[in-house]
Amino acid sequence: AQKVTQAQTEISVVEKEDVTLDCVYETRDTTYYLFWYKQPPSGELVFLIRRNSFDEQNEISGRYSWNFQKSTSSFNFTITASQVVDSAVYFCALSENSGYSTLTFGKGTMLLVSP
Amino acid sequence: EADIYQTPRYLVIGTGKKITLECSQTMGHDKMYWYQQDPGMELHLIHYSYGVNSTEKGDLSSESTVSRIRTEHFPLTLESARPSHTSQYLCASSVRQGLAFFGQGTRLTVV
Repeated sequence: AQKVTQAQTEISVVEKEDVTLDCVYETRDTTYYLFWYKQPPSGELVFLIRRNSFDEQNEISGRYSWNFQKSTSSFNFTITASQVVDSAVYFCALSENSGYSTLTFGKGTMLLVSP
Repeated sequence: EADIYQTPRYLVIGTGKKITLECSQTMGHDKMYWYQQDPGMELHLIHYSYGVNSTEKGDLSSESTVSRIRTEHFPLTLESARPSHTSQYLCASSVRQGLAFFGQGTRLTVV
């Protein structure tokens, strides 16, 4: 069965610090998809990134970057120069290659960025 | 930008009442989902649908039921609400592998 582990329950940083959110996954499939979602205090889940299992290239989008390593089954997320608006709960998720496209989420990491 | 709407946003209801949480999307997506988020933040899949007249139960056992009579509409019903049903319920739709768009959620409190 698939599983996603986010070992960090809560992280507190001061604005402008860099922060990395860890994500480790388990799956028996060779084809799968990994995601990060952000949940601000308003409650909705906002899609950040989708990565398939065959694409191990790191990705950078503005202050956000993602490091996907199949060898360690990890998909870590780094925010550079954090801002107060980054405060939210961040979820890592996994979708196996089935027609159902259901997501298995980690338990989430709450990020608090103080001024 | 995703167009998926949930109503109500907040609901406080007494034990034993029947409630329906509404979810609608305007993107024409075939796949829709309901996730339950407990106070500890963890998200669990409770129902999903591939299209009209198809519904399946998710990983977490739930006393709720769903229906999919129209592509755009995926309501969730609790026949008799209990305090253990207090949670946030998130609806989502998807057009391709795992890329789900979520509504703003319904925060349900059963007293």
